[in-house]
Amino acid sequence: AQTVTQSQPEMSVQEAETVTLSCTYDTSESDYYLFWYKQPPSRQMILVIRQEAYKQQNATENRFSVNFQKAAKSFSLKISDSQLGDAAMYFCAYSVNNNDMRFGAGTRLTVKP
Amino acid sequence: NAGVTQTPKFRILKIGQSMTLQCAQDMNHNYMYWYRQDPGMGLKLIYYSVGAGITDKGEVPNGYNVSRSTTEDFPLRLELAAPSQTSVYFCASSLTSGGNNEQFFGPGTRLTVL
Repeated sequence: AQTVTQSQPEMSVQEAETVTLSCTYDTSESDYYLFWYKQPPSRQMILVIRQEAYKQQNATENRFSVNFQKAAKSFSLKISDSQLGDAAMYFCAYSVNNNDMRFGAGTRLTVKP
Repeated sequence: NAGVTQTPKFRILKIGQSMTLQCAQDMNHNYMYWYRQDPGMGLKLIYYSVGAGITDKGEVPNGYNVSRSTTEDFPLRLELAAPSQTSVYFCASSLTSGGNNEQFFGPGTRLTVL
């Protein structure tokens, strides 16, 4: 079974600084998708960024970027110029198709003013 | 568009009671999903549906039932509530099943079984 591991239960960052959240996964598939979801206190799950495994180029969405290392099965999220609104739980997720999405346990990010 | 809506937001059940968690989406999505999120954990898939009349089990289906009579609605039924079902339940939908297709989530239902 595919598993997703987030080794950092909590992280903190100073406002305007950069932080990197780690994620590793285990799979025997060669083609799959990786996601980072944000869950603020409102509980609403919001897609932050996604990466297709067959694409070598790392995905970027404004201040959010990923470092995708396929051989190492690593998928970290970098948040640049951190803002107070970035404070949330962040979940890494893996799927081959939408019917089998697997989530990590999450990393709680605190942003200090 | 309201997106994905869930009712109720909160519910407390006694052991052995039954209830239905409601989920509706107005995006004309074919695929719908039910997840549970236990404290300190990620989401786990309970059931999913690929269209009206078609449902299938996910990772943790025991103790739950679902139906999909319309494209818009995907209710989750708990027949005999147990303390192990205390969790936050999320409904989601997507246009297709492709792994790159974004899932849109509802706000969740917090269920406590005492």
